[in-house]
Amino acid sequence: DTGVSQNPRHKITKRGQNVTFRCDPISEHNRLYWYRQTLGQGPEFLTYFQNEAQLEKSRLLSDRFSAERPKGSFSTLEIQRTEQGDSAMYLCASSYPSGTQYFGPGTRLTVL
Amino acid sequence: GENVEQHPSTLSVQEGDSAVIKCTYSDSASNYFPWYKQELGKGPQLIIDIRSNVGEKKDQRIAVTLNKTAKHFSLHITETQPEDSAVYFCAAISDSNYQLIWGAGTKLIIKP
Repeated sequence: DTGVSQNPRHKITKRGQNVTFRCDPISEHNRLYWYRQTLGQGPEFLTYFQNEAQLEKSRLLSDRFSAERPKGSFSTLEIQRTEQGDSAMYLCASSYPSGTQYFGPGTRLTVL
Repeated sequence: GENVEQHPSTLSVQEGDSAVIKCTYSDSASNYFPWYKQELGKGPQLIIDIRSNVGEKKDQRIAVTLNKTAKHFSLHITETQPEDSAVYFCAAISDSNYQLIWGAGTKLIIKP
């Protein structure tokens, strides 16, 4: 399977803990995007990378969120000091520049 | 900024009938319009897309039409089947942008 993969698929954590998610994009794609989605809503843009450079970060994104793509391949999204409001599905997508975005299966985060 | 409106929010059709979902965009620079299908607990899956140099595109039971003058685009599903039940999102983007602008989603229910 050469699609976008995300790990873990589910994460349950206690408030105040740190969590890290991983995304492996389609190998030829140089753009990688992170989105957050809550139930009944469309995906909300968080940040995107072109190769290893993080080119944009949503103003809605708290300083507790950080993303990296150190070698221009896989990416990690870390949430520090999680809050209950962080509970959501975290989606990763990849594309060529100006290309179709293909999504992974998502990581569902539950903060207790 | 760009805005995409999607209607209806919920659509219930009898199995075998057709379903139509409509979207309107505001930015005349938008030139790429994908449609995604999302099943519960999964990431959005691209089902069809259209670029602004084309008025219509069809793939088996699914078709998309685009009216650039009116800034409307629509998803048509014919001969609906139970597996078509899902939430459908339209989106728009321009070459100069990186961020998909999403509609609010349509929950499609196929009644047996």
